[in-house]
Amino acid sequence: AQSVTQPDARVTVSEGASLQLRCKYSYFGTPYLFWYVQYPRQGLQLLLKYYPGDPVVQGVNGFEAEFSKSNSSFHLRKASVHWSDWAVYFCAVSLASSGSWQLIFGSGTQLTVMP
Amino acid sequence: GGIITQTPKFLIGQEGQKLTLKCQQNFNHDTMYWYRQDSGKGLRLIYYSITENDLQKGDLSEGYDASREKKSSFSLTVTSAQKNEMAVFLCASTRDNYEQYFGPGTRLTVL
Repeated sequence: AQSVTQPDARVTVSEGASLQLRCKYSYFGTPYLFWYVQYPRQGLQLLLKYYPGDPVVQGVNGFEAEFSKSNSSFHLRKASVHWSDWAVYFCAVSLASSGSWQLIFGSGTQLTVMP
Repeated sequence: GGIITQTPKFLIGQEGQKLTLKCQQNFNHDTMYWYRQDSGKGLRLIYYSITENDLQKGDLSEGYDASREKKSSFSLTVTSAQKNEMAVFLCASTRDNYEQYFGPGTRLTVL
């Protein structure tokens, strides 16, 4: 069955440090993959999306992610974390179903940024 | 640009009560979704609708009803609220069936 796994429920980094949030997917075929961010008491906002093509995709606010078919992964990276990046990050894969598409979400990673 | 509006922002109900959540979008998107978000968990799909008057059940549809009265609105009803239930309900819509746009959520507390 299609699924998304985010193995790290919580990640803590210092401001200015680099960041990697991990995402593994299970999907038959070529996936469409997404990273969403949820700031406190807000809805989800799209950070970046992967449609088949260049494996490295750029997103907003300096985020990027790399698709790896061999590793079934879509890890999120940022070179230098800012305090405003404190949020929950969700990885998702798009799944075709009954004439439309659904998003299958991972359980999320809470990012804490230390001063 | 567009926006998704969810009402109310906070909903407090009693056990056994029927509760309705509303979602409006002005993107002119065809497909709309309702998700439930529990603390520490990802989003789980309750219902979705690919057009006006269409309803499709997600994995978590038991205990809920939905209604797509018109293209811009999608309502969700909790048919019998469960005591101590706490969750955030998120509405979303999509143009191209890939990228979804989310509303700010409705926080439900059942006393």
